[in-house]
Amino acid sequence: SAVISQKPSRDICQRGTSLTIQCQVDSQVTMMFWYRQQPGQSLTLIATANQGSEATYESGFVIDKFPISRPNLTFSTLTVSNMSPEDSSIYLCSVRTGDEGYTFGSGTRLTVV
Amino acid sequence: GQSLEQPSEVTAVEGAIVQINCTYQTSGFYGLSWYQQHDGGAPTFLSYNALDGLEETGRFSSFLSRSDSYGYLLLQELQMKDSASYFCAGGMDSSYKLIFGSGTRLLVRP
Repeated sequence: SAVISQKPSRDICQRGTSLTIQCQVDSQVTMMFWYRQQPGQSLTLIATANQGSEATYESGFVIDKFPISRPNLTFSTLTVSNMSPEDSSIYLCSVRTGDEGYTFGSGTRLTVV
Repeated sequence: GQSLEQPSEVTAVEGAIVQINCTYQTSGFYGLSWYQQHDGGAPTFLSYNALDGLEETGRFSSFLSRSDSYGYLLLQELQMKDSASYFCAGGMDSSYKLIFGSGTRLLVRP
């Protein structure tokens, strides 16, 4: 299965600023997925990132707030823009590995103050 | 809409068997997966059902009934390390995105 390196692992940011989260995969993958998980809650899909095309966002998430880059088949970034305390959460990237399972990055724990 | 519902918490005794249920309402559904997540950790894949019936992987088994829009995860010979959150996740046709259930927190007691 794929191995994902996600960074930063955590950060504390001032409101109004932006944070870019990076995910590097050790193999080429067509699709990468970005999730948000608030403390004690389930995972909510933010968007699907395909190489060479714009990301597809889920309802309630917009590109201006969560711009995504996918420059090649092993790398993607998610930016959380103009942050507010409500953006405090864990952000995770994921890739589909084979026909069954998905592998997740270790997550970025974001606190906005 | 798309939703997968699970009980919020389950408590069981070490060595026992526990079943975590998942009922779903999704369009374009093609399979049901199960993930385990320990506090502070990332979700890890446990099991997948593409077809109706039971899939067994060691101490873990998963079941799917498409006609009932229902599945469950069965954990046998519970160990303390099984205390974690468990999520069912529905796979969506063509897009391959996963929609996660509400999650079940399992507490295993001595």
